[in-house]
Amino acid sequence: QTVVTQEPSLTVSPGGTVTLTCASSTGAVTSDYHPNWFQQKPGQAPRSLIYSTSNKHSLTPARFSGSLLGGKAALTLSGVQPDDEAEYYCLLYSGGGWVFGGGTKLTVL
Amino acid sequence: EVQLVESGGDLVKPGGSLRLSCAASGFSFSSYTMNWVRQAPGKGLEWVSFITSSSDYIYYIDSVKGRFTISRDNAKNSLYLQMNSLRAEDTAIYYCAGDLGYNMDVWGKGTTVTVSS
Repeated sequence: QTVVTQEPSLTVSPGGTVTLTCASSTGAVTSDYHPNWFQQKPGQAPRSLIYSTSNKHSLTPARFSGSLLGGKAALTLSGVQPDDEAEYYCLLYSGGGWVFGGGTKLTVL
Repeated sequence: EVQLVESGGDLVKPGGSLRLSCAASGFSFSSYTMNWVRQAPGKGLEWVSFITSSSDYIYYIDSVKGRFTISRDNAKNSLYLQMNSLRAEDTAIYYCAGDLGYNMDVWGKGTTVTVSS
């Protein structure tokens, strides 16, 4: 069973830049894993930000970007805003199913 | 408006059964792979199952294999999850989510399943 690992928590200052990562227990994350990234705020359903590594939806703010970095999937937030404080989840496709990471709680302080 | 609306969540005793439904509108349901994703109280997201657009391929997480059955009716724009032999650890909010080309971008608001005696 694949295990997907994210940083449990990160803190960033308003206006700063932060990178969240997503690692797979099976080895390097590649585009074949079709990484997706989601934002979830308390009491709300997840909201899709990024799909297939780096593709944005029409409503995804430009400050969010996805990439592959050092064998991991990565989500970078540039010019962080207070409204970006939330839980962020990555999702990897792993042959016959999907696996979510444990989530990163992003605090904007 | 693109919309998924889940229903069927309830309080059920261990060993009991429930059938969840998800009604789709505002998009081409029959083209989408559909998923069930759950979130236990205070925990992270967990993918549970998916069914491809024509029901050709179905997959489950190991912990629900043999107990849960996913199905869909494209004529009714509906997705289902039959849950049998429920356990306390199945307690969660259950979301349905649509995926087109590995892009899981359509989500419902969820329905709550509580398994407790």
